[in-house]
Amino acid sequence: QVQLVESGGGVVQPGRSLRLSCAASGFTFSHNNMHWVRQAPGKGLEWLAVISYDGNNKKSADSVKGRFTISRDNSLDTLYLQMNSLRPEDTAVYLCARGETYRHPFDIWGQGTMVTVSS
Amino acid sequence: DIQLTQSPAFLSASIGDRVTITCRASQGISGYLAWYQQKPGKVPRLLIYAASTLQSGVPSRFSGSGSETDFTLTITSLQPEDFATYYCQQLNSYPLTFGGGTKVEIK
Repeated sequence: QVQLVESGGGVVQPGRSLRLSCAASGFTFSHNNMHWVRQAPGKGLEWLAVISYDGNNKKSADSVKGRFTISRDNSLDTLYLQMNSLRPEDTAVYLCARGETYRHPFDIWGQGTMVTVSS
Repeated sequence: DIQLTQSPAFLSASIGDRVTITCRASQGISGYLAWYQQKPGKVPRLLIYAASTLQSGVPSRFSGSGSETDFTLTITSLQPEDFATYYCQQLNSYPLTFGGGTKVEIK
C-alpha cells in the first residue's frame, strides 16, 4: 500500500549530526515532490524543507537553513534529511510527507521518527 | 514569511454541535490553503485543500471556505472521532507555514 516509513532518529548530543531516511512505497516516488516537517513535543507542526521530484530544486525554512540538507535517491525510493550542528531545540518528531507538486497539499505522511538532542 | 493565525486555540464542544475554526493569513494566499486533523499520537490527516475541496474519504460534515486572507473550517455535526487538533497550512509560497492549531475537546 501507499506508505512512507521514516528511520534514523535517536538521541544525539548537541553539535553532532544525524541523517534521517524516509522510504516510500506504493506510488511512483520519482514523480513527486517531498517534504520534511517536524513537531516538537506538545507543539505544532513546522515545515522544514522540500525537494522537487527530480532533486533539482530545494527550499528550506530559515530555522534549519545551512544546517539541514534535504536530498533524495529516486533509484532507492528514499528521501533523506541530513541534520548537522544539532541543537536542543531541534528535539522533535520528524515526519516526511508527499506534496506531489508545487502548491499541492501533503496527502501522505510517514509515522515519524523521534530525534532528541541532549547532552 | 506568511503567518497563519488560527482561532480559537482551544474549543470545547458537544457531540452534534456545529464547530467553526478560522485561519487568517498575514497576506493574501489566493486559495492555497489546506486543513489537517491530528489525533494524539497520530500523524496529520489531510481534510481539505484548495480552501474548500474535500479530500477523498473525508466525511461531508467537514467543509472549508475562504480566500486570500480569511478561511474557515466547519464541522456541521461534531462526532466523537472529530475530537482532535486541527491545523491550517498555506501552500502559496515558501517557506510553507502552518497555523498554531485548534484543539477541539469534549465539553
